[in-house]
Amino acid sequence: QSALTQPPSASGSPGQSVTISCTGTSSDVGSYNYVSWYQQHPGKAPRLMIYEVNERPSGVPDRFSGSKSGNTASLTVSGLQAEDEADYYCSSYAGSNNVVFGGGTKLTVL
Amino acid sequence: QLQLQESGPGLVKPSETLSLTCTVSNGSISRNTYYWGWIRQPPGKGLEWIGSMYYSGSTYYNPSLKSRVTISVDRSKNQFSLKLSSVTAAETAVYFCAGIRITISGEVIIHDAFDVWGQGTLVTVSS
Repeated sequence: QSALTQPPSASGSPGQSVTISCTGTSSDVGSYNYVSWYQQHPGKAPRLMIYEVNERPSGVPDRFSGSKSGNTASLTVSGLQAEDEADYYCSSYAGSNNVVFGGGTKLTVL
Repeated sequence: QLQLQESGPGLVKPSETLSLTCTVSNGSISRNTYYWGWIRQPPGKGLEWIGSMYYSGSTYYNPSLKSRVTISVDRSKNQFSLKLSSVTAAETAVYFCAGIRITISGEVIIHDAFDVWGQGTLVTVSS
């Protein structure tokens, strides 16, 4: 199984929106609605931000949203804030109880 | 609120076995709504799923690590453990344990999302 493909970096100014893509295959992202997104600040553990493509856990701001089209999932952060600057990782169920992560995207708030 | 904490040696010699334990607090490890898993992150790099287990003892491993990984549970201590044999320097990483939300679809149990994470522990592989 190969890692999901994410852009290494993304950026936006405060108040703007930014979208991060996560491209897999028909064996993972394309076949299952079990795509999740994680936020990781330096030296910290990842935090679940989105699950099942577009569901937000309790406590996650509604500025964070997810979507999927074909083999590509996306995370959109609207109304960017300074505290959104972090690394973001996607993950997908890949069948037969396998899980695959993306390589991560560093989001910079300009 | 569920809490997880990793423990174990911070230094392991090449070719030896890495052993870590994750203690689950504020909840039972025997809940049927979670898998329990391990994820690692080499310095400056991305996340890699190592494997997961159900409270019943069923285990699921990353195919690339399957021959060297064992995950087990000690329900009496509310703990689960990771053993990774024949480690190399390239496996120096922060190792996280996590509670994984699952979805049951018929007779199939699906990894849904890594819901709760431990703080992580750095394991260095060096002689």
